[in-house]
Amino acid sequence: NAGVTQTPKFQVLKTGQSMTLQCAQDMNHNSMYWYRQDPGMGLRLIYYSASEGTTDKGEVPNGYNVSRLNKREFSLRLESAAPSQTSVYFCASTIIEAATRPQHFGDGTRLSIL
Amino acid sequence: AQKVTQAQTEISVVEKEDVTLDCVYETRDTTYYLFWYKQPPSGELVFLIRRNSFDEQNEISGRYSWNFQKSTSSFNFTITASQVVDSAVYFCALSEASTGNQFYFGTGTSLTVIP
Repeated sequence: NAGVTQTPKFQVLKTGQSMTLQCAQDMNHNSMYWYRQDPGMGLRLIYYSASEGTTDKGEVPNGYNVSRLNKREFSLRLESAAPSQTSVYFCASTIIEAATRPQHFGDGTRLSIL
Repeated sequence: AQKVTQAQTEISVVEKEDVTLDCVYETRDTTYYLFWYKQPPSGELVFLIRRNSFDEQNEISGRYSWNFQKSTSSFNFTITASQVVDSAVYFCALSEASTGNQFYFGTGTSLTVIP
C-alpha cells in the first residue's frame, strides 16, 4: 500500500544548488501534481501532468522544472535554489483529471534553502 | 482573488464540544467539485469528502458532517463531540470543470482539541 512515495523526506540546500525531488505512484493514476505548502498560504500548484508525456504550469511555476518520466514517476527540479523556495513540497496523483476525483498525496518533502 | 476562503485560521475547543469549520468558495462554473482534506501533525494530507455542484444533500459520516449551500457558496464541516485525534489542519478545496487540473486550496484552519 505505498500509494504516492516522495523522496527525500528532508533536505537542506545552499542557495544556488540544484536538486531533484522524486515522486512515484503505484496506483496506475494518469495525472500527477506538485504543490508547495507555505505557512498561511495553503497549497499552491506548481506543475502538473495530466497524462504521461504532458506537463503544464500551475499557479507558481517560476524556478521549477518537471519531468514526467513515465506513468509512475513525476520529478520536480530546482535548478538554482533560492531561499524563497524553502517550503514543504507535496506530490499528488489522481486517476483522471483533478476536477472530478480526489487527489492522493505523498507525505511531503521538507526543503530548506540557506 | 481567493477562490476558497477559510476565514478561521485557528480554532481551539475542549474535547466533546462540537465545532464547525467554515469554507466559502467562489466560482462561475456551474459544474465544480468541493473537497475537504485533513492534515494531522504528522504532515500527510488525508482526503475526507468530495461533493459535486449538483448534489446539495448534506452528508454525515460518523462524527463528521458537511453542509453544502450553493445559495451562500459555502461548504462547512462540522465535527460532533470532538476528540483529541481531531486536532489537525483542515483544508477546503475547489476544482472547476472548466479548468480541469487546477485545484484551489484554502489557507486551512488549524483545529486544536484540548483534553
